[in-house]
Amino acid sequence: EAQVTQNPRYLITVTGKKLTVTCSQNMNHEYMSWYRQDPGLGLRQIYYSMNVEVTDKGDVPEGYKVSRKEKRNFPLILESPSPNQTSLYFCASRGVWTGELFFGEGSRLTVL
Amino acid sequence: AQSVAQPEDQVNVAEGNPLTVKCTYSVSGNPYLFWYVQYPNRGLQFLLKYITGDNLVKGSYGFEAEFNKSQTSFHLKKPSALVSDSALYFCAVRDTRDSNYQLIWGAGTKLIIKP
Repeated sequence: EAQVTQNPRYLITVTGKKLTVTCSQNMNHEYMSWYRQDPGLGLRQIYYSMNVEVTDKGDVPEGYKVSRKEKRNFPLILESPSPNQTSLYFCASRGVWTGELFFGEGSRLTVL
Repeated sequence: AQSVAQPEDQVNVAEGNPLTVKCTYSVSGNPYLFWYVQYPNRGLQFLLKYITGDNLVKGSYGFEAEFNKSQTSFHLKKPSALVSDSALYFCAVRDTRDSNYQLIWGAGTKLIIKP
């Protein structure tokens, strides 16, 4: 089954404790992206990657890091989480020439 | 500036009635247009897209959307609403001049279908 898998789905952490949200896709997609969703703000892109070893900032990259060492994986790293990073995070992927994005089920992060 | 507007935060429709969720856009080049749906506690799912050709496109779950170039709109429609259509709907556009094919997202419209 074609899917984008994110882990963890739910996480409560404390300020400053580094965490990583993993994302993996099994569709051999070149493009991957991270979004955050906050009430009233819709979807905002954090980082995206056009292919392996190619990453670019989205609209709200501050406080986040990403890496794309393999085509299937695109982890989101919060080096020193702060409460304003409490949000619902989505990973998504698509082929370079195809239109539609495939989304993971989301990771709800709470930073205390 | 490139943008997508979903002018209604919420749309309420009685079950069995037709529904419309509005979307207008502004891009410098030609648009590729998309609709996505988000059910509670789920990720977004692709509904339909317009790339080229027939202005009326049909998608999943009986939804359709009409591309109107002169009005720069891409409204989502369904002839007869179901309670199960209640969800958050997002419109998105890609400017064909953007070499990175990035999507510009609307803020989302909450659709509530009442029995």
